[in-house]
Amino acid sequence: GAGVSQSPRYKVAKRGQDVALRCDPISGHVSLFWYQQALGQGPEFLTYFQNEAQLDKSGLPSDRFFAERPEGSVSTLKIQRTQQEDSAVYLCASSLEVAGLTDTQYFGPGTRLTVL
Amino acid sequence: AQKITQTQPGMFVQEKEAVTLDCTYDTSDQSYGLFWYKQPSSGEMIFLIYQGSYDEQNATEGRYSLNFQKARKSANLVISASQLGDSAMYFCAMRENRAISNKLTFGGGTRVLVKP
Repeated sequence: GAGVSQSPRYKVAKRGQDVALRCDPISGHVSLFWYQQALGQGPEFLTYFQNEAQLDKSGLPSDRFFAERPEGSVSTLKIQRTQQEDSAVYLCASSLEVAGLTDTQYFGPGTRLTVL
Repeated sequence: AQKITQTQPGMFVQEKEAVTLDCTYDTSDQSYGLFWYKQPSSGEMIFLIYQGSYDEQNATEGRYSLNFQKARKSANLVISASQLGDSAMYFCAMRENRAISNKLTFGGGTRVLVKP
């Protein structure tokens, strides 16, 4: 079956522009996560959805970051008025279950955002 | 304090030999899960292996095995019979039971280069 897909794979934005990053999770997966990975570092948690409900947004770095998953499937991460420090790879992951330590997160290929 | 520490930024390993990647973690939870992911240059995070805190046996998955020492809070990944395709970044991650989102907390990663 298809894995997690993300689009676009690469995005170049001028400082101050708004961007929207899309994630298509594995069909039937309840949980969806967004992570930010700066160059040379491990991914850092941004936000979590259980179906359409955003249950944890504690990792969003500022109010310029907004995520949604209106129908409990596709998710969009929006960054308003992009800054150079937003340059990173944005990874989306999905998992089948709601909770449980054993539930494996499957990741997409990421979107590499470069803000000039 | 870092929750996940990977002390080896980079390692060389000869093809067909085994390599051990170190991971130590910090948590006050009794119930937690530990994961290892591989990230090749393409960027996608590939799940390798999982170890639960209550698992009595060390996890194994093909050429991957986990040396879990709970008292020392370490979960080292062992890759046996290294192949050229094993060259990648490797990340250790933890999921704590307290987290509402079951988010993963990642270490900084270890870059492995397999030499022919």
